Amino acid sequence: GAVVSQHPSWVICKSGTSVKIECRSLDFQATTMFWYRQFPKQSLMLMATSNEGSKATYEQGVEKDKFLINHASLTLSTLTVTSAHPEDSSFYICSAKTGPGPEQYFGPGTRLTVT
Amino acid sequence: QQPVQSPQAVILREGEDAVINCSSSKALYSVHWYRQKHGEAPVFLMILLKGGEQKGHEKISASFNEKKQQSSLYLTASQLSYSGTYFCGTSNDYKLSFGAGTTVTVRA
Repeated sequence: GAVVSQHPSWVICKSGTSVKIECRSLDFQATTMFWYRQFPKQSLMLMATSNEGSKATYEQGVEKDKFLINHASLTLSTLTVTSAHPEDSSFYICSAKTGPGPEQYFGPGTRLTVT
Repeated sequence: QQPVQSPQAVILREGEDAVINCSSSKALYSVHWYRQKHGEAPVFLMILLKGGEQKGHEKISASFNEKKQQSSLYLTASQLSYSGTYFCGTSNDYKLSFGAGTTVTVRA
């Protein structure tokens, strides 16, 4: 149980285009989903927290107009990187939790390369 | 605020033991341990929810000292498959903050 999927696994796009990444909880309802970014050889950094049906809460330094997060249902959250630039190239990982407990279940990650 | 992990890296021979430490300047509600292989997402190892709690799975175990705001991960009789970067994640609300990671290399 507690499986989270991400789609796509990897994406290469040109500078200036937008990319959408999906995060789905397959066998549970996710009250809260988190989006992380990980640069090579660095730790995971939380970008934003999203609750179903409400606006995402962004961490300090993360541009909300550039990284659009939509949590339209209890099983799906999307991250759209708008007007992507090479410096946005990174490993994007989502996680999901259900209920008040601290456990988070991570997706397999999406590797974004902007050329 | 990120927890502090030590050491940054450790090299082991198969069968040797290692300890990875994770400490926080803030009070902790829970400590999560993950292992990440190159190019893959982190894989959950275990979570410790209470001070004094100890847990283990096969030959990997962890302890949580709530008063000292720290946790330790113990790799016992390491196997080649233990190689990877280990992250601790600490939580004092619903958000996780991850340490910088400890890279473990196990050699035959």
